[in-house]
Amino acid sequence: QSALTQPASVSGSPGQSITISCTGTSSDVGRYNYVSWYQHHPGKAPKLILYNVNNRPSGISIRFSGSKSGNTASLTISGLQAEDEADYFCGSYTSSSTSFVFGTETKITVL
Amino acid sequence: QVHLQESGPGLVKPSETLSLICTVSGGSISNSYWSWIRQSAGKALEWIGRIYPSGSTYNNPSLNSRVTMSVDTSKNQLSLRLTSVTAADTAVYYCARTILDFGGTSGVSFDYWGQGALVTVSS
Repeated sequence: QSALTQPASVSGSPGQSITISCTGTSSDVGRYNYVSWYQHHPGKAPKLILYNVNNRPSGISIRFSGSKSGNTASLTISGLQAEDEADYFCGSYTSSSTSFVFGTETKITVL
Repeated sequence: QVHLQESGPGLVKPSETLSLICTVSGGSISNSYWSWIRQSAGKALEWIGRIYPSGSTYNNPSLNSRVTMSVDTSKNQLSLRLTSVTAADTAVYYCARTILDFGGTSGVSFDYWGQGALVTVSS
């Protein structure tokens, strides 16, 4: 089971919107709406920011939104803030025997 | 707020067994699924396996025969054992609460994570 594909890095200026893609296959992202996104500041615990493609857990800013089309899911951060600078990765349930597969992480830089 | 903390030796010799503990606070481990996940440098995270406190487990087949997971509900702890380790097992190991609500509103995700424990396999 291959990892989901994400861009290595994305950057934006404060106030801008950025989008991170997460490309999988018809066995994972394309098959299930069980795509989740995580924010990870190195050395700290990853934090769930979206689940079921576009649902935010309690306490997560509405600036984070998600979508999915075919085998690709996307995370959009609107009104980019300095505190958004972190690594982000996606995850998906998969029909393969591995059950869960994750993305390759994207580093977000706020210019 | 649920808090998870991994602990264990940071250095393991090749062919030996890696052992980690995950201590959960702020909630009982009894009614949730729990997973172990790892990340090797420069690679995507890899799901190792999950356990339910009843003892039910399911492992990633790529590691299946080397992985043992258990739960100690009296201590609110999870444990992971990985046998016959090699340098390829060098990684940051995480424990995470796992939401498995197929068809339900909660869906499937990992909603609480530990900060991870770096384990290096080297002689």
